Amino acid sequence: SQKIEQNSEALNIQEGKTATLTCNYTNYSPAYLQWYRQDPGRGPVFLLLIRENEKEKRKERLKVTFDTTLKQSLFHITASQPADSATYLCALETNAGKSTFGDGTTLTVKP
Amino acid sequence: DTAVSQTPKYLVTQMGNDKSIKCEQNLGHDTMYWYKQDSKKFLKIMFSYNNKELIINETVPNRFSPKSPDKAHLNLHINSLELGDSAVYFCASSHLGEDYGYTFGSGTRLTVV
Repeated sequence: SQKIEQNSEALNIQEGKTATLTCNYTNYSPAYLQWYRQDPGRGPVFLLLIRENEKEKRKERLKVTFDTTLKQSLFHITASQPADSATYLCALETNAGKSTFGDGTTLTVKP
Repeated sequence: DTAVSQTPKYLVTQMGNDKSIKCEQNLGHDTMYWYKQDSKKFLKIMFSYNNKELIINETVPNRFSPKSPDKAHLNLHINSLELGDSAVYFCASSHLGEDYGYTFGSGTRLTVV
């Protein structure tokens, strides 16, 4: 059956360090993969999208990698700040336009 | 201006009632969605409409009926509400095929008592 797993429910790191979040999937052939940020009581906010034929994408302090052989995406936040504390969701989208979300990793950046 | 707006933000109602949640987007997107987020924060797609046409209809009880009067609006009507329907419901929109992801509304927290 199809499955998306994000590395851990919670990740705590010190300010200034790099946070690395993992998204693994099985039995999917995604056209692309997206990462979202969700704050308590709010809707998810789109951060980055990476296509199946792309290896890496960057946006400011964010970097996403996509390895379709390992069936894994890594999401990095460099020089992390307390304001980066939130839940981060990965989502796989097929060519049919259907997105399936992982259950999220809650990141806490301590000052 | 709010890009994707949902009303109401909170909805508390008794079992057996019928209720509606409204959603509007002013982004000019051609596709709109309803997602349900349960207490474990898992986001699950329910429905998707593209230019007023239903394109995704997941395994959802037929007590849930979406309606899209035009491509800027997607409403969700729920009949005979049950305790298990309590969740946060998110509306979202996107342009199919574009690299901008989905734009979500701020959610409607439905509590059935």
